[in-house]
Amino acid sequence: AAGVIQSPRHLIKEKRETATLKCYPIPRHDTVYWYQQGPGQDPQFLISFYEKMQSDKGSIPDRFSAQQFSDYHSELNMSSLELGDSALYFCASSPGQTLYEQYFGPGTRLTVT
Amino acid sequence: KQEVTQIPAALSVPEGENLVLNCSFTDSAIYNLQWFRQDPGKGLTSLLLIQSSQREQTSGRLNASLDKSSGRSTLYIAASQPGDSATYLCAVPQGGSEKLVFGKGTKLTVNP
Repeated sequence: AAGVIQSPRHLIKEKRETATLKCYPIPRHDTVYWYQQGPGQDPQFLISFYEKMQSDKGSIPDRFSAQQFSDYHSELNMSSLELGDSALYFCASSPGQTLYEQYFGPGTRLTVT
Repeated sequence: KQEVTQIPAALSVPEGENLVLNCSFTDSAIYNLQWFRQDPGKGLTSLLLIQSSQREQTSGRLNASLDKSSGRSTLYIAASQPGDSATYLCAVPQGGSEKLVFGKGTKLTVNP
């Protein structure tokens, strides 16, 4: 069965650089979620999209932005990177909101040096 | 604000033992609860989803129960195997929204 695809899987950036993370949801899933998991931490919700519109927002820094495109894939753009942004970034998708199981991708490991 | 607590934080058992992982949450107005498995540095694998109207959900050697009124869920693992070694996380939606709030996980080690 198809799963959530994230790219790249690993990314190394320097401070103040910009990074773009991509997420391809499971086919026919219209809802995408982004989570950040710092070292030794539990995942924290960043932002979600339903039918290409932002549906909820969590503790996402103003330096980050995201969008969902017409083919339902999503991109998380991160600017002015800081050392503290080093984390595992997960994308999840579901076939609708609220009541549905969220399926997580393998994550993108971002390292900021 | 939804808070999720998992006990114990770590558990080490011999192979073949049955075990129970606990999860509690503060806001019982939830739609569902998910249990995940995470291997070190890896992604989150969904194990079980229990809807708020359900009391139990089973998948193979795993059984999860939900007592919504008391804000508790348990994950029962039967006949544990070394391959079950991982961190187990439970997550619930926050305040009627879709964003999941995670516990800090239980790190399970099953010794051969």
